[in-house]
Amino acid sequence: QQPVQSPQAVILREGEDAVINCSSSKALYSVHWYRQKHGEAPVFLMILLKGGEQKGHDKISASFNEKKQQSSLYLTASQLSYSGTYFCGTERTGNQFYFGTGTSLTVIP
Amino acid sequence: NAGVTQTPKFQVLKTGQSMTLQCAQDMNHNSMYWYRQDPGMGLRLIYYSASEGTTDKGEVPNGYNVSRLNKREFSLRLESAAPSQTSVYFCASSERVGSKYFGPGTRLTVT
Repeated sequence: QQPVQSPQAVILREGEDAVINCSSSKALYSVHWYRQKHGEAPVFLMILLKGGEQKGHDKISASFNEKKQQSSLYLTASQLSYSGTYFCGTERTGNQFYFGTGTSLTVIP
Repeated sequence: NAGVTQTPKFQVLKTGQSMTLQCAQDMNHNSMYWYRQDPGMGLRLIYYSASEGTTDKGEVPNGYNVSRLNKREFSLRLESAAPSQTSVYFCASSERVGSKYFGPGTRLTVT
């Protein structure tokens, strides 16, 4: 039932860009994105509702294609603070909320 | 405003022992969730509660029970702990469609 994320891991140099993808086999009501630092709880980044909207948060943005049941997270001009594991989360009917498999992002100087 | 609180932060159990993980939120959220996180497995939904008085199974409910005591509190019980239940447990809360706020987690080891 978990959405599948790709890639599983990525290493970037400061200033480089990255794209993280999230794909579900089931129809989605909304898609969330979270970042988790090592040893900490996940922290909310943004939510995208049905309608194919794109949202932005500083240099991090995301898109949601409900027909393809896919979402992508875009990180531009990466900073050291972007390091962590990124999870998408998908909301389906009945208030069920499932997280994706996770993508480990490491930004190096 | 404490957000989501969990107790205990750490726990070591022997196989067969029981325990209850406590979770409370002060944001007046209707929905609450319990997840477990194993290395390399991401977060998996154990149980959730859409509102006070209702609970439903998630992906991995076997070996667990939950109680939504009131709107604020949602507890997770392990009746007979097994080594496979060694994990980090996170409680979260949210409005119906909204960002999930997480507690700091409980690190449980079953020997």
